[in-house]
Amino acid sequence: DAKTTQPPSMDCAEGRAANLPCNHSTISGNEYVYWYRQIHSQGPQYIIHGLKNNETNEMASLIITEDRKSSTLILPHATLRDTAVYYCIVRARGGSGGYQKVTFGTGTKLQVIP
Amino acid sequence: GAVVSQHPSWVICKSGTSVKIECRSLDFQATTMFWYRQFPKQSLMLMATSNEGSKATYEQGVEKDKFLINHASLTLSTLTVTSAHPEDSSFYICSARVYGRDQPQHFGDGTRLSIL
Repeated sequence: DAKTTQPPSMDCAEGRAANLPCNHSTISGNEYVYWYRQIHSQGPQYIIHGLKNNETNEMASLIITEDRKSSTLILPHATLRDTAVYYCIVRARGGSGGYQKVTFGTGTKLQVIP
Repeated sequence: GAVVSQHPSWVICKSGTSVKIECRSLDFQATTMFWYRQFPKQSLMLMATSNEGSKATYEQGVEKDKFLINHASLTLSTLTVTSAHPEDSSFYICSARVYGRDQPQHFGDGTRLSIL
């Protein structure tokens, strides 16, 4: 799996958009970008994933650059409950009957400030 | 959908005892489950990949005789920490993946293990 680089920490004002960057300059053509978050003392929570097109769901938006070397997770209106460690992971798609393990880096600790 | 349940959520036991942790996929079948360990203020470290009906694949440095994994059905994997000692105290987390080439992993809420 390609290595990812994220800033260790970020602050965001409550109600504002939180933009979390991730660099994955060695990503391969068959690797997806996944975002998870971990709230203190809980298991990680899946947020969103994409290959090359921008994606949006009820939790967040994922913007992937055209060269796919970086991406940004956007939480449109951050709340205090969004305070967590956010992990950006790239993973190859599994082949027929196959699987790909997820390896976690150190992530970005997002602090939402009242 | 895609709920993973982990039990127990917290366990405290004496040194030398064995502890079993269960991981269940509640609304989907998982041929593959994963076990992670997390120490305070550190990231998740993959311990092993659990395969239904076959032996688990352990990451380098993880003792397979210490951490026994059984994946007897498509919805249940268990991790047994044998002869646990204080250094085994950690947060253990399992995950499972819905079948499909780009499907994400879904995680349980973790088990906090404290060995006295």
